Amino acid sequence: DTGVSQNPRHKITKRGQNVTFRCDPISEHNRLYWYRQTLGQGPEFLTYFQNEAQLEKSRLLSDRFSAERPKGSFSTLEIQRTEQGDSAMYLCASGSGTQEGQFFGPGTRLTVL
Amino acid sequence: AQTVTQSQPEMSVQEAETVTLSCTYDTSESDYYLFWYKQPPSRQMILVIRQEAYKQQNATENRFSVNFQKAAKSFSLKISDSQLGDAAMYFCASEGGSEKLVFGKGTKLTVNP
Repeated sequence: DTGVSQNPRHKITKRGQNVTFRCDPISEHNRLYWYRQTLGQGPEFLTYFQNEAQLEKSRLLSDRFSAERPKGSFSTLEIQRTEQGDSAMYLCASGSGTQEGQFFGPGTRLTVL
Repeated sequence: AQTVTQSQPEMSVQEAETVTLSCTYDTSESDYYLFWYKQPPSRQMILVIRQEAYKQQNATENRFSVNFQKAAKSFSLKISDSQLGDAAMYFCASEGGSEKLVFGKGTKLTVNP
C-alpha cells in the first residue's frame, strides 16, 4: 500500500478562481477526512466521509466549500471564489475506525494571490 | 467541546537524551482516544502513538511512550534516546465520539547533536 496521496501538492491561484483538490485514501479504509492547517497551528477538521456518505461538516466549511466522495474511494474538495484567507495546507486522512487512528497524506498547499 | 492544549511551543534535547512533551485536554466524553502525531519539516503527518482512555496501561512504541493521567486530563509524550530524525513538530490530538480529531497547536522539537 502506498499510503494516502493528494494532488496537486501545490496550487497557486488568483482570488476569485475555483480550485479542486483530490485525495486517494488507503484502499482498505472506509473513512476519509479533510483538515485545514494554517502556519503555526494544528490541523482543523473540515469534514469526513464514511464510504460515500458525508457524515459531518465543520462550521469552517462555508458554502464556498464542497466535498464529495462519489464511489466511496477517492474524494475531491472544491473551493469556489477563493479568498486570500483560504491560503492554507489542506490535509486528507483516511482510517478504518477511531481506535486505529487516522493516516495523513502529504497535503495540498494552496496559495491565493 | 473538546480542547487540546500544548503549553510548550518549542523544546530542545541533546541527541541520546530523553525529552517529555506536555499535553492537556478537556472532554466531556467518557470514552475517547488520544494520539501523538509527528510532522517533520515539509513532510506529512505521521502517527506516533495512540492511547485508549479506558485502558489504564500507558502505551509504548519503541522509544516513544506516554504518561496518561486520566484524572488530571494529561497525556505527555516521552521520547527516549533522542535521534536527529526525531526533530519535528509534535501534535497532541483527541477524539471523542465524533471521529474528528482535535489538535493542539504543536510543540517544535529540536534535537542537538
